[in-house]
Amino acid sequence: SQKIEQNSEALNIQEGKTATLTCNYTNYSPAYLQWYRQDPGRGPVFLLLIRENEKEKRKERLKVTFDTTLKQSLFHITASQPADSATYLCALGDQGGKLIFGQGTELSVKP
Amino acid sequence: GAVVSQHPSWVICKSGTSVKIECRSLDFQATTMFWYRQFPKQSLMLMATSNEGSKATYEQGVEKDKFLINHASLTLSTLTVTSAHPEDSSFYICSAPPGTRDFYEQYFGPGTRLTVT
Repeated sequence: SQKIEQNSEALNIQEGKTATLTCNYTNYSPAYLQWYRQDPGRGPVFLLLIRENEKEKRKERLKVTFDTTLKQSLFHITASQPADSATYLCALGDQGGKLIFGQGTELSVKP
Repeated sequence: GAVVSQHPSWVICKSGTSVKIECRSLDFQATTMFWYRQFPKQSLMLMATSNEGSKATYEQGVEKDKFLINHASLTLSTLTVTSAHPEDSSFYICSAPPGTRDFYEQYFGPGTRLTVT
């Protein structure tokens, strides 16, 4: 069956450093991959989408890479700030819009 | 940006009663909406795909008679949890892709916290 794995442990980094989150998947060929931010008790907020034929996408301080051979995506937040502290979710999508989510990685940025 | 709302934001009900949760797209029309459930410290699990004007498509293992979905208009989908039990207590979230943009970009509602006592 399909499986998505994200860094299971919380990630603690110092303000100003780059946070790198990992998303690995098996038994699936997604049409695209998305990253979301989720704060406690709130719904996910869309951050970035990368399609299967794309290698890298950037948006302000965010960068995502997508390696369909390794079945892996890396999500980077550069110049991290305490306000970036949240849980980040990786999601794989099909052509119909259905998403399969990873369990999320909790990021904590210390001042 | 595209906004999706949910009502209520939280609800407490007694075991055996039914609860209706609304999902609205406020500034766009959504022919498709998705319903997810999230247990504490766990991932979002897709429950069903709601299609305007037709029956919902349920994921494997989701009881369609227990979780009734009605997509009555292009801006409203409802999820009714029938004969709720404590194990149905969870965070229910809907999402919708804005039709005027990339279909793959989805916007999520703020979620509804259901507690069944």
